[in-house]
Amino acid sequence: QVQVQESGPGLVKPSETLSLTCTVSGGSISTYYWSWIRQPPGKGLEWIAFIYYSGTNYNPSLNSRVTISVDTSKNQVSLKLRSVTAADTAVYYCARDSEMAFDYWGQGTLVTVSS
Amino acid sequence: DIQMTQSPSTLSASVGDRVTITCRASQSISNWLAWYQQKPGKAPKLLIYKASSLESGVPSRFSGSGSGTEFTLTISSLQPEDFATYYCQQYNSDSRTFGQGTKLEIK
Repeated sequence: QVQVQESGPGLVKPSETLSLTCTVSGGSISTYYWSWIRQPPGKGLEWIAFIYYSGTNYNPSLNSRVTISVDTSKNQVSLKLRSVTAADTAVYYCARDSEMAFDYWGQGTLVTVSS
Repeated sequence: DIQMTQSPSTLSASVGDRVTITCRASQSISNWLAWYQQKPGKAPKLLIYKASSLESGVPSRFSGSGSGTEFTLTISSLQPEDFATYYCQQYNSDSRTFGQGTKLEIK
């Protein structure tokens, strides 16, 4: 059974870089696409980016500030979001992207942007 | 970018009711659409993929239909555990987009 776990700081200062890690167990990370998705408190879901064996794609609204990467040796996917503001406060989810849907999700991690 | 619009935003219904949620895409997405259920404090759960395929373990009272730009999620007989927020999501080779969500409330 695939399990997905997000980790990272729960508090980030404005203008700094948000860094999160997604650790996958129960399956190889290299055979699937993986996405980051976020959800501001009380609001809807927003896809951020995905990564696959031969590349990445980003939400155009975040493209200039986001980097997604993978470490196959650790079975981990990482997210970096630069120059954060209060609008980036959200629960951040990592999910397996089967190219048909997000079928396995982590429980999410709340990141608050505040000084 | 492909935009997804769900209606209604809020739906009040009773246990046993049949309900339908609609999702419209700003351009044709063939059948590349998924539906999710989300309960407070939890990650979304996949219900339907490829517009009408039921994810393993999901009750058969959930069904999806549509293609092109218009899609529906139907719950044939609401159960107490079905009161939640539902999202549609499109996927294509370059991006994924979610609808804004439909909150299903107890009448």
